Amino acid sequence: GAVVSQHPSWVICKSGTSVKIECRSLDFQATTMFWYRQFPKQSLMLMATSNEGSKATYEQGVEKDKFLINHASLTLSTLTVTSAHPEDSSFYICSARDPQHNINYEQYFGPGTRLTVT
Amino acid sequence: TQLLEQSPQFLSIQEGENLTVYCNSSSVFSSLQWYRQEPGEGPVLLVTVVTGGEVKKLKRLTFQFGDARKDSSLHITAAQPGDTGLYLCAGAPSGYSTLTFGKGTMLLVSP
Repeated sequence: GAVVSQHPSWVICKSGTSVKIECRSLDFQATTMFWYRQFPKQSLMLMATSNEGSKATYEQGVEKDKFLINHASLTLSTLTVTSAHPEDSSFYICSARDPQHNINYEQYFGPGTRLTVT
Repeated sequence: TQLLEQSPQFLSIQEGENLTVYCNSSSVFSSLQWYRQEPGEGPVLLVTVVTGGEVKKLKRLTFQFGDARKDSSLHITAAQPGDTGLYLCAGAPSGYSTLTFGKGTMLLVSP
């Protein structure tokens, strides 16, 4: 149980275009999902917390207008990188909490999306 | 300021060796979790420790939560190449519901 998928697994786009990444909880309903960014050989950096049916909560320093997050259903959250630039190239990972296994705030991670902006 | 300090940051060992990874904080955590991340993949939850002094075993991996719930350790016995990966500790400080992650320990086990 507690499987999270991401799509696409990798994407290459041109500078100035927008890219949408999907995060799905496959076998549970996730009221809360998280989006992380990870640079090579570094830990996870939380970008935002996504709550179903409400606006995402962004971490300090993360541009809301650049990283648009939508959590329209209990199984789907999307991250759209708008007007992407080469410095946005990174590994983006989503995670979700399973309400049935959430006593200690455990998160279940997707496999990640490698974004390369040329 | 890093809330969770992990050490060492990088560890390269030979197959069969033992190792310990540490996760320390000055804050009290209601629980701590350990994740392993392989290159190009998302982190996978290994274990959650909740009670101060708790010891959990997962095959060759032994996890311990400090008595004061401010630190944790991961010990691997007879490491194998399949143990290679980034080990992350994470936890929600008391009163918070968002996980904070350590910087991770990159483990490389050579045959």
